[in-house]
Amino acid sequence: GESVGLHLPTLSVQEGDNSIINCAYSNSASDYFIWYKQESGKGPQFIIDIRSNMDKRQGQRVTVLLNKTVKHLSLQIAATQPGDSAVYFCAENGGGNQFYFGTGTSLTVIP
Amino acid sequence: DGGITQSPKYLFRKEGQNVTLSCEQNLNHDAMYWYRQDPGQGLRLIYYSQIVNDFQKGDIAEGYSVSREKKESFPLTVTSAQKNPTAFYLCASSPGGTNYNEQFFGPGTRLTVL
Repeated sequence: GESVGLHLPTLSVQEGDNSIINCAYSNSASDYFIWYKQESGKGPQFIIDIRSNMDKRQGQRVTVLLNKTVKHLSLQIAATQPGDSAVYFCAENGGGNQFYFGTGTSLTVIP
Repeated sequence: DGGITQSPKYLFRKEGQNVTLSCEQNLNHDAMYWYRQDPGQGLRLIYYSQIVNDFQKGDIAEGYSVSREKKESFPLTVTSAQKNPTAFYLCASSPGGTNYNEQFFGPGTRLTVL
């Protein structure tokens, strides 16, 4: 999972396998969460979001799970492809249109 | 094409010089943000603006200044007072108004101070 520090957590998966990336958030009052994908040298791209009144949301090949009890968010990527290689990070909105971002997990897909 | 543009992509400056990073959006978004990204760290908020002619300090505003004279533009000046300015700078915008709007990011500017 994500944590504060100088080294990103890393995850390596075989092409075609499923990937699970985890994130622990800090503010129990946060009511909106987003997963972003960031490729090297580029700006983050929106992947999927979820509100606190839901515990699961599905997109195309991606699923986000929210466990408010333990303040945990996960991103599942089905049938991971080489193009999925990037840094993934979660963001929580604690109110006032301000987001707080995790440090990210670096995903490497092995062909 | 609608989106956010940042220029330049790479910027080099000598220590002690002020430098201004450009951010423009044509999404008609009310809110705009500046973040700094350092290796192995999450995005940290420098300044944000919810509406034209208004802006607030984020978590690491010292050594930075902004202006919001137009809805589509939110330039960031990195001043000589910023102790460690070398970083990747990201601008974002959001429709604003509610807590449930994603932030759209620009491509970033990598600033290197020599």
